[in-house]
Amino acid sequence: AQKVTQAQTEISVVEKEDVTLDCVYETRDTTYYLFWYKQPPSGELVFLIRRNSFDEQNEISGRYSWNFQKSTSSFNFTITASQVVDSAVYFCALSSPRGGTSYGKLTFGQGTILTVHP
Amino acid sequence: DADVTQTPRNRITKTGKRIMLECSQTKGHDRMYWYRQDPGLGLQLIYYSFDVKDINKGEISDGYSVSRQAQAKFSLSLESAIPNQTALYFCATSDPRFSYNEQFFGPGTRLTVL
Repeated sequence: AQKVTQAQTEISVVEKEDVTLDCVYETRDTTYYLFWYKQPPSGELVFLIRRNSFDEQNEISGRYSWNFQKSTSSFNFTITASQVVDSAVYFCALSSPRGGTSYGKLTFGQGTILTVHP
Repeated sequence: DADVTQTPRNRITKTGKRIMLECSQTKGHDRMYWYRQDPGLGLQLIYYSFDVKDINKGEISDGYSVSRQAQAKFSLSLESAIPNQTALYFCATSDPRFSYNEQFFGPGTRLTVL
């Protein structure tokens, strides 16, 4: 069975601080996909990024960056110079391709509540 | 207009009542999903459907049933609601042409069972 663990239940930072949200996953699949979603206070789920297991390049998008390390089964998310608008719940998720153990389904972590104070 | 819509957006009901949550999508996706979100537990899969004739139980299907009326519609029913079914419910869709199974979520339905 697949599993995603976000060990940080809540993180509180002051605006302009950098913050890293941890995500560790377990899977028997050799190919898999990792995602990050953001859930702002309004409640909707916003897709942030998808990463294939065979692509270990880190990615940067503005103030957001993702560090994928297959050797440690981690897919961490860093927000640089955090802003109050970054306050949200962030979810890491895992899926399998066709033939995988959990084909067609997403396995979510428990979520990390990020609060950015002005 | 939103691609994935859920009705109602908020519902308060009493223990023992039958409740139906509805999901509609205009994305043309074959796959649809129902999740529930509880604080500290992330999203848990209730039921999923890979096409109109295919319905599968997820992790937490007890106390729930579903109906896939058409490719675009997937309803979740609570036959006899109980207070621990108070949660935020999400519908999602995905396109089977893409192996990575990116899911597109509706806005959520906040259900309170008193």
